[in-house]
Amino acid sequence: GNSVTQMEGPVTLSEEAFLTINCTYTATGYPSLFWYVQYPGEGLQLLLKATKADDKGSNKGFEATYRKETTSFHLEKGSVQVSDSAVYFCALQRSYGKLTFGQGTILTVHP
Amino acid sequence: DGGITQSPKYLFRKEGQNVTLSCEQNLNHDAMYWYRQDPGQGLRLIYYSQIVNDFQKGDIAEGYSVSREKKESFPLTVTSAQKNPTAFYLCASSIGGQLEEKLFFGSGTQLSVL
Repeated sequence: GNSVTQMEGPVTLSEEAFLTINCTYTATGYPSLFWYVQYPGEGLQLLLKATKADDKGSNKGFEATYRKETTSFHLEKGSVQVSDSAVYFCALQRSYGKLTFGQGTILTVHP
Repeated sequence: DGGITQSPKYLFRKEGQNVTLSCEQNLNHDAMYWYRQDPGQGLRLIYYSQIVNDFQKGDIAEGYSVSREKKESFPLTVTSAQKNPTAFYLCASSIGGQLEEKLFFGSGTQLSVL
């Protein structure tokens, strides 16, 4: 079946540090991959996506590359800000609109 | 502004009681979804609807029911058969019928058992 595994959190960083949140997946075929972000007290927002192997999704300084050979979609940002503190979810698309989510990684950025 | 509105923000359920969570969207989306979020776990799909008057069970539908009588509304009822209802419930919508489509989420309802 389909599954998504994210690195254990929480992750705590100082402002301007480099961020990596690991995500690996198991799926039949080649699903589309997503990163969603959830700010405190809010619903999820799409951060970025990639639809085929070697695609790179990017938004707001965040990037993730669809790696078929390692079945991974790691999220990276070169310099985090306090405002990036949130919960980050990796997800894959099973069919129209139906997503399988990872467990989420809490990120806290200190000034 | 277009978006998804969930109400109430907080809800308390007594033993043996059914409660209904509201979800309304003005995005003119065909597809709507209900997800459940538990601490330390990812979101799990409860029910989804791809068009008015039609809906399907997701991965954890037991103890829940839905209706889709109007395009803009997709209420979720948590019945007394759901033995562990305490969770954060998220409603979402999408255009529908497209691969790689983006989901738009509401701000959620926190349900707790008294």
